[in-house]
Amino acid sequence: AQKITQTQPGMFVQEKEAVTLDCTYDTSDPSYGLFWYKQPSSGEMIFLIYQGSYDQQNATEGRYSLNFQKARKSANLVISASQLGDSAMYFCAMREGRGNFNKFYFGSGTKLNVKP
Amino acid sequence: DAGVIQSPRHEVTEMGQEVTLRCKPISGHNSLFWYRQTMMRGLELLIYFNNNVPIDDSGMPEDRFSAKMPNASFSTLKIQPSEPRDSAVYFCASSQTGEETQYFGPGTRLLVL
Repeated sequence: AQKITQTQPGMFVQEKEAVTLDCTYDTSDPSYGLFWYKQPSSGEMIFLIYQGSYDQQNATEGRYSLNFQKARKSANLVISASQLGDSAMYFCAMREGRGNFNKFYFGSGTKLNVKP
Repeated sequence: DAGVIQSPRHEVTEMGQEVTLRCKPISGHNSLFWYRQTMMRGLELLIYFNNNVPIDDSGMPEDRFSAKMPNASFSTLKIQPSEPRDSAVYFCASSQTGEETQYFGPGTRLLVL
């Protein structure tokens, strides 16, 4: 089974609107972390937001928020007030394990296009 | 801070040649990760080190790949001999134990002809 599933290969959103990028994960480890990264066309990987499995509140970082639904094993990224500069690939990722020994998995990504 | 530094940024080589990719993690970070990104397979973790010790190398594709971290500020990923299917972008990332965020370098774009 896929550890991280991103079912939207591509998304379009109108500038200034909000958009949700889907991510579901699969793990039986009680301790895990969920991440979102942005990869613009220039190629670098930019960390956006992190959610720990024990965190009670949904993570927020500026215009980014992570809609964490533990029972559904979903960790959707919500971008509010989209900007043209948000056009990029977005990757959901998971760390499972504890201490020094961890496993890391990335999803296949969602390409977001923000329309003016 | 300078961020994670990778060299070279681009490498073009011929099949059969040895390729060495280099990475300098962020100062003070004690975990280092090597990833490979291709269109077909996406982003894959190849190996990661903690305190210079390889912790998980299960993602290393085959014996042609090797990675070392002789000290806290330097790591190499070597491919010998290289093959066209090794063409990809190779990222190095680092993090600090206790913090979840991995900071990625700019990547090395490798083309094996």
